[in-house]
Amino acid sequence: DQQVKQNSPSLSVQEGRISILNCDYTNSMFDYFLWYKKYPAEGPTFLISISSIKDKNEDGRFTVFLNKSAKHLSLHIVPSQPGDSAVYFCAASVNFGNEKLTFGTGTRLTIIP
Amino acid sequence: GAVVSQHPSWVICKSGTSVKIECRSLDFQATTMFWYRQFPKQSLMLMATSNEGSKATYEQGVEKDKFLINHASLTLSTLTVTSAHPEDSSFYICSAHIGNLNGYTFGSGTRLTVV
Repeated sequence: DQQVKQNSPSLSVQEGRISILNCDYTNSMFDYFLWYKKYPAEGPTFLISISSIKDKNEDGRFTVFLNKSAKHLSLHIVPSQPGDSAVYFCAASVNFGNEKLTFGTGTRLTIIP
Repeated sequence: GAVVSQHPSWVICKSGTSVKIECRSLDFQATTMFWYRQFPKQSLMLMATSNEGSKATYEQGVEKDKFLINHASLTLSTLTVTSAHPEDSSFYICSAHIGNLNGYTFGSGTRLTVV
């Protein structure tokens, strides 16, 4: 039972344009969401998070949007840079991040120079 | 920032042998450590949650006698893959909750290959 889904396994975006990565979840108990960037054979690197009391959080080039009614979140990266090429995972937790993480299936983002 | 050091980064072992993976929190105390496994091109799947000084909590379908977890101190958690088989070949990652809005910090992972 995949409670967190990323339906796009891959995405290619031109350098300088906006990258939009999507994530859907089914467990209404999730109240804390995170995005991670991962390179092969490395651990995930934290990018940005959002709690369910907010619908938007922004940090530099990264913005996360949360639509609780649709159980959907998205990560916007603008402008996209070649160094952004990696696999991106969304993750969800209950108890505002004090519990285990449930990861999505990942989206491979390729930024085209 | 909070750092989790994971060793070894890669290991090759023969079938039937045991392999120990260590995760150390370098500049903070990790009351709880999470162990994940990632198969190629798949998601990170939680295997177990280890709490310092108590028995680990395993996710459904994970054999606790095969994947031994020890969390004897606030800075060290270990995962031992016992009697390893080729199907145990995977990427293993530990994570600790760091108690702020960033939530979690991850080790660099261990690539296990069983031949």
